[in-house]
Amino acid sequence: DAKTTQPTSMDCAEGRAANLPCNHSTISGNEYVYWYRQIHSQGPQYIIHGLKNNETNEMASLIITEDRKSSTLILPHATLRDTAVYYCIVSPTGSQGNLIFGKGTKLSVKP
Amino acid sequence: GAVVSQHPSWVICKSGTSVKIECRSLDFQATTMFWYRQFPKQSLMLMATSNEGSKATYEQGVEKDKFLINHASLTLSTLTVTSAHPEDSSFYICSARTLLNTGELFFGEGSRLTVL
Repeated sequence: DAKTTQPTSMDCAEGRAANLPCNHSTISGNEYVYWYRQIHSQGPQYIIHGLKNNETNEMASLIITEDRKSSTLILPHATLRDTAVYYCIVSPTGSQGNLIFGKGTKLSVKP
Repeated sequence: GAVVSQHPSWVICKSGTSVKIECRSLDFQATTMFWYRQFPKQSLMLMATSNEGSKATYEQGVEKDKFLINHASLTLSTLTVTSAHPEDSSFYICSARTLLNTGELFFGEGSRLTVL
């Protein structure tokens, strides 16, 4: 079973920041938080991952709480093309295994 | 990031025929690739782990004789759906890690199989 909890769906206005929450209260010390998204009828796309420090790349920012029990993915200026299902996944660092996908959050960016 | 490519992206076949889906890592080598299946409005479910040069490891409930996996090289894994039936119609997705194992899984574009 997935070890994360996410809202089923969210709406966001185009041009505004999209903040997607994720709870991972049972996360272990060696587990990273990964975010992927899946646009309809495509394979998942890697967005960002982090251990305990906040991370930022060209796509998004990842804010992890100090106790690491939750995190937020931030898309700073959402566009219509950001409409997708966003998955928050925890996985051990250096793992050779697969990632276990939960149900994710369906983000709808509206004009 | 690393690129994983699947072929074909979509296929329609008659019931009882076999279909092969290829998964290639284009710019990196992968000793391990993963095959997922996704039904409409559902999340990805792992079917099997494909290991280069050895037998694949199948998840519980996935028939290894029906879903044949071959990982003959460090850049290619194939999934063959044998004697396909309409209930096998699904979106099949492969993924791979680089040998550097920086943590990310890289996914193919997916292959949509429709069995008539």
